[in-house]
Amino acid sequence: RKEVEQDPGPFNVPEGATVAFNCTYSNSASQSFFWYRQDCRKEPKLLMSVYSSGNEDGRFTAQLNRASQYISLLIRDSKLSDSATYLCVVSTGGGNKLTFGTGTQLKVEL
Amino acid sequence: EAGVAQSPRYKIIEKRQSVAFWCNPISGHATLYWYQQILGQGPKLLIQFQNNGVVDDSQLPKDRFSAERLKGVDSTLKIQPAKLEDSAVYLCASSSQGRGGAYNEQFFGPGTRLTVL
Repeated sequence: RKEVEQDPGPFNVPEGATVAFNCTYSNSASQSFFWYRQDCRKEPKLLMSVYSSGNEDGRFTAQLNRASQYISLLIRDSKLSDSATYLCVVSTGGGNKLTFGTGTQLKVEL
Repeated sequence: EAGVAQSPRYKIIEKRQSVAFWCNPISGHATLYWYQQILGQGPKLLIQFQNNGVVDDSQLPKDRFSAERLKGVDSTLKIQPAKLEDSAVYLCASSSQGRGGAYNEQFFGPGTRLTVL
């Protein structure tokens, strides 16, 4: 079983749609959780951290369910510029070590 | 502020040849990481340095891969000899040193795209 599992997609959605991505992780000792965004042929960049209480950054909302070992990302009012791969990322133990999922590809269309 | 620098950006070699990649982290960042990203997959950590010491190299194929960060600043990753399955993007990242185990954001360089023929 992979440490971090995501549906690779692609998710093709029209502009203005709401889209949700899910991710599960296998290590219950995982401590920190993130969503990274990676544009085609570019490096990953931190989109947002994920907290148990849930957190929101503009059109983006992230949720963490520790009991189910489940992380989600909701994007409202999708823009063309949201087209990218969204990587679910987990940190287990100290030392800043990150484990990445395979990523979910999003394509926002006119 | 300058970001993480990597070179070369692209490299094409034949199998069994050797190749080296260079990374210069963000100024002041004590921690440096090398990741391998195979097409269609997420980045996989190969090695993590704290200053010039290795923190984690558990996923580094040590029979062919080596890395060093001699002066605690820039770093090189070498593959010798290369195999077809080494074709990937090699990403370097850096972060400041965390306090008490707190997470510090990793900033990635543009990567080196390696093709092994």
